[in-house]
Amino acid sequence: AQKVTQAQTEISVVEKEDVTLDCVYETRDTTYYLFWYKQPPSGELVFLIRRNSFDEQNEISGRYSWNFQKSTSSFNFTITASQVVDSAVYFCALSEAARDDKIIFGKGTRLHILP
Amino acid sequence: DAGVTQSPTHLIKTRGQQVTLRCSPKSGHDTVSWYQQALGQGPQFIFQYYEEEERQRGNFPDRFSGHQFPNYSSELNVNALLLGDSALYLCASSFGANRVAGYTFGSGTRLTVV
Repeated sequence: AQKVTQAQTEISVVEKEDVTLDCVYETRDTTYYLFWYKQPPSGELVFLIRRNSFDEQNEISGRYSWNFQKSTSSFNFTITASQVVDSAVYFCALSEAARDDKIIFGKGTRLHILP
Repeated sequence: DAGVTQSPTHLIKTRGQQVTLRCSPKSGHDTVSWYQQALGQGPQFIFQYYEEEERQRGNFPDRFSGHQFPNYSSELNVNALLLGDSALYLCASSFGANRVAGYTFGSGTRLTVV
C-alpha cells in the first residue's frame, strides 16, 4: 500500500540555521513520483519539487536541496540558511502514477523559523 | 494568468445541511481534483473529474459528490453534513496526460460544521 511518513510533526530552528525535513515512503510500484509541497498560513499548497522514481539525482535549488535514496525509501528536504519566510507546513507526497492520479500526502511537518 | 480559484473562502454550516463548493481551474487545465484536509493532517484525495465525468474516487462516502461543467469548472457537494466534515477543501487542476506532475492547487475553502 501507499504510505508517506513524516516523523517530525514540528521543528523550530533559529534563523540562518540549516534544517532537514525527513520523509519515508512505501510503495509496491517501481514507477512513482515523489513531491514536496509548502503550505503557508494562507492555505494554498505551493509546489516545490517533483522527482520520478528513475531519477535519483539529488537536486539543489537556491537554498533548497533534496536527497532521494531509493535504498532507504527516503526523500529528505534541506533548507540552508533558513529564513523567517520559510515558516510553514511542509508536506511530502507520493503518487503511483502508473496506477492512478491521486497524490498521497504525509501528515506534514510544521516548521518554525525563529528570528 | 489566474491560478486555481475556489469559492467561498470560508463557510459555516449546520449539521445535516448540504453544501456546495466551487472551483475554477487554472487557464488551460481540463482536469480537476478535490482533496479534504482535516486540521493537522495532510490532504486526502476525494475524487477527480475529467471530461465531465468522475475519473477516480478516494475512500469517501456517497454523501460526497461532484460535477464538472463544459468550461472545466467543478463543484463539490456534501450532503447530510457531519461535524467531522469540518476541514479545508482544496481543489487542484491539471492538464491532460501530465495530471499528477502538473497539479496546481487553490487556496481552499474552509468549511466549519456546527
